[in-house]
Amino acid sequence: DGGITQSPKYLFRKEGQNVTLSCEQNLNHDAMYWYRQDPGQGLRLIYYSQIVNDFQKGDIAEGYSVSREKKESFPLTVTSAQKNPTAFYLCASSTGQGQETQYFGPGTRLLVL
Amino acid sequence: GDSVTQMEGPVTLSEEAFLTINCTYTATGYPSLFWYVQYPGEGLQLLLKATKADDKGSNKGFEATYRKETTSFHLEKGSVQVSDSAVYFCALKTTPGNKLTFGGGTRVLVKP
Repeated sequence: DGGITQSPKYLFRKEGQNVTLSCEQNLNHDAMYWYRQDPGQGLRLIYYSQIVNDFQKGDIAEGYSVSREKKESFPLTVTSAQKNPTAFYLCASSTGQGQETQYFGPGTRLLVL
Repeated sequence: GDSVTQMEGPVTLSEEAFLTINCTYTATGYPSLFWYVQYPGEGLQLLLKATKADDKGSNKGFEATYRKETTSFHLEKGSVQVSDSAVYFCALKTTPGNKLTFGGGTRVLVKP
């Protein structure tokens, strides 16, 4: 089945630690996105990538980093510079052409110890 | 910049009641409009979409019409079920670029 997978489902971060969230898609999509969702709020865009080896900052990129070395993969690192990382993180992908739909993964919940 | 405003929840209904969730937007250009649904602990699923004025998106008994004159995309369902309990997000996307702008979400609770 085609789709987007995110791992782990839950992730715990200690003070001063960097953690990496995985996002993989087998939809052959060019574009991939990372969103952050806080309780009772909408989604905010962290980073997006429209093609391999290229990515752009979204609205709240500070304290996060990404890479896009393969078309299928778009990992997100939450660095120690992100002072309030507790949130639900959602990865999405799309064909990258015109008014296309974004498809979402199941999400990773990050909690700080 | 682009923005989406949704009615605040939670919205609590009885089974078989009529559901309306209001959504209005501000955007430059001609956006595509979307409704996504999020069930507890899960990611978002596309519910329906409309890409131009007067288009009606529909899926699973839900409908929404793209109203350019009122910049609105209200979601409706004639008879809700307990399984419709979820958070509903209105979103828009303009070109160029592929960024989605989301509303704050509306939680719907349907009681038997």
